[in-house]
Amino acid sequence: EVQLVESGGGLVQPGRSLKLSCAASGFTFSNYYMAWVRQAPKKGLEWVATISTSGSRTYYPDSVKGRFTISRDNAKSSLYLQMNSLKSEDTATYYCARHKLKNTYFDYWGQGVMVTVSS
Amino acid sequence: EIVLTQSPTTMAASPGEKVTLTCRASSSVSYMHWYQQKSGASPKLWIYDTSNRASGVPNRFSGSGSGTSYSLTISSMETEDAATYYCQQWSSNPLTFGSGTKLEIK
Repeated sequence: EVQLVESGGGLVQPGRSLKLSCAASGFTFSNYYMAWVRQAPKKGLEWVATISTSGSRTYYPDSVKGRFTISRDNAKSSLYLQMNSLKSEDTATYYCARHKLKNTYFDYWGQGVMVTVSS
Repeated sequence: EIVLTQSPTTMAASPGEKVTLTCRASSSVSYMHWYQQKSGASPKLWIYDTSNRASGVPNRFSGSGSGTSYSLTISSMETEDAATYYCQQWSSNPLTFGSGTKLEIK
């Protein structure tokens, strides 16, 4: 059974940093592109980042480019999101998600972790 | 950036009613994907590559479309179908989602 379990969320002040983790199991992690998707309270879904199988290629929307960094450790079947210079508008539930194929849709999602940016 | 516009924003349907949700893209896309999200839960893949049902999705659901116009249809609404549905594309960077259609049971 595919499982994606996020951790590392919490309350953080504006301008500070936070690192999220996602522990994957039930599949060969190194074979899949992985991603982070967020959802602000009562809002829709927003893609945050995608990383290739080896980690050599990363993709971001302009809203987080330069502030967020996605990475992975295939030996640990883990995905990470380093978030710097956090803003109030980064407040959201962050989901770890698996890309079925390169640059396509998400076939599995984690349960999500809440990040609140507030002073 | 390709903007996906979903309509209606909210709707209510009676059990047994046929329901059609639409997703219009600001530029042509090759495929559209759909997710179902129930309150307090994570999204679930529902329809992929425009017309393929994900594992476990009832066959009363279908997807269709091409170019800039796509739709998700429920042939006969059931209470368990009440949820928010999002469309998504990655034919062009960045990957984008529609703003969602909230489907309620009447």
